Amino acid sequence: QVQLVESGGGLVQPGGSLKLSCTASGFTFSTYGMHWVRQAPGKGLEWVGYVRYDGGNSYSADSVKGRFTLSRDNSQNQVYLEMTRLRPRDTAVYYCAKDLGYNSGWYLDYWGRGTLVTVSS
Amino acid sequence: QSVLTQPPSVSAAPGQKVTISCSGKNSNIGRNYVSWYQQFPGAAPRLLMYENNKRHAGVPDRFSGSKSGTSATLGITGLQPEDEAQYYCATWDSSLNPVFGGGTTLTVL
Repeated sequence: QVQLVESGGGLVQPGGSLKLSCTASGFTFSTYGMHWVRQAPGKGLEWVGYVRYDGGNSYSADSVKGRFTLSRDNSQNQVYLEMTRLRPRDTAVYYCAKDLGYNSGWYLDYWGRGTLVTVSS
Repeated sequence: QSVLTQPPSVSAAPGQKVTISCSGKNSNIGRNYVSWYQQFPGAAPRLLMYENNKRHAGVPDRFSGSKSGTSATLGITGLQPEDEAQYYCATWDSSLNPVFGGGTTLTVL
């Protein structure tokens, strides 16, 4: 069965950096795009970014553009979210999610359990 | 402030039908497919519907989706206590970035 396990979350000071990892299993990782979505405490879902199946292209939300970088290592079945210049409003649970793979759009069909990132002094 | 507008909460009794609306604009729902996600407290979201009205694998046929113009609707018939959750609609904006609704809390009375 599909499993996604995030790691790397924790407490970081404003202006600091953190790198999240997501390890996938149960599907052919190298053929699917992957997303990161975050959820601030008590709030709704916010899409963070997407990395193409081959890592050849990535997209990110305006709110994180220039600060967050998405990448993947298909040999390790892992996708990464490198976060720099962190702000208190980046505090959230960060989920990685698999894309369904339909040409009609991006649909996130499996999600990890998330990892909490807290930005605070 | 979410790009897509959902009612904060809806409620209905077990066995009844409930609908959750999702309102957007021409630039998002009006020209793109809509999907729906279910989230229980403390858990990750789960894909329910995609391409407006297609159920994801394992989703009971009590769940349905529709879209008309710049609005979409999730319907749940034969409401069960285990349907009590948060529901989110999603589509894409003019930059083709995914956007989510603010979420609707479904209470089964």
